[in-house]
Amino acid sequence: DVKVTQSSRYLVKRTGEKVFLECVQDMDHENMFWYRQDPGLGLRLIYFSYDVKMKEKGDIPEGYSVSREKKERFSLILESASTNQTSMYLCASSLSGGAHSPLHFGNGTRLTVT
Amino acid sequence: AQTVTQSQPEMSVQEAETVTLSCTYDTSESDYYLFWYKQPPSRQMILVIRQEAYKQQNATENRFSVNFQKAAKSFSLKISDSQLGDAAMYFCAYRRGTNTGNQFYFGTGTSLTVIP
Repeated sequence: DVKVTQSSRYLVKRTGEKVFLECVQDMDHENMFWYRQDPGLGLRLIYFSYDVKMKEKGDIPEGYSVSREKKERFSLILESASTNQTSMYLCASSLSGGAHSPLHFGNGTRLTVT
Repeated sequence: AQTVTQSQPEMSVQEAETVTLSCTYDTSESDYYLFWYKQPPSRQMILVIRQEAYKQQNATENRFSVNFQKAAKSFSLKISDSQLGDAAMYFCAYRRGTNTGNQFYFGTGTSLTVIP
């Protein structure tokens, strides 16, 4: 089974801090994604990556950046955390080679910015 | 951007009964994929079922089946013989079929309660 691991389940940070959310997958997937999940809004794509050192903006990239230095690892960075970035963050990965390939999700990181 | 609409924020079903969750989507594409994902209280999102738009036959996975109406752009999920473990948030998702890197578009979710 594919395993997508997010480094923290819960995180509490202060406004203005730089925050790193880490995600690692163990199945050699080319595609990796960061979503934000908020009640009533569903999942919104922040950034995604097709390959190492490659990144594309999603629907809500403002205030975020990403890094993919290795194929298995995709990091989400909040440059200066703000209270409106308090949310659930979900990492996912998928194979390339067909749009039928489903997303495989991590357990999520619940981030609170105070 | 594509839109996916789940008009039922909450649903409930008696254990062993059948429930149908609704999903509609908006697209001008002819080639795409549709997915239902389940997010139990433990939070890890898992794939329930997937449908290719070019296939007329509705997908089925054990107690889960879909009613795919391409012309109506409707993709509902039917859960038969509901079990307590089916209680979760369910998300409908759309993905264009022309490029593997294309993003998934998700609905806002339906929270399903199973009543013992």
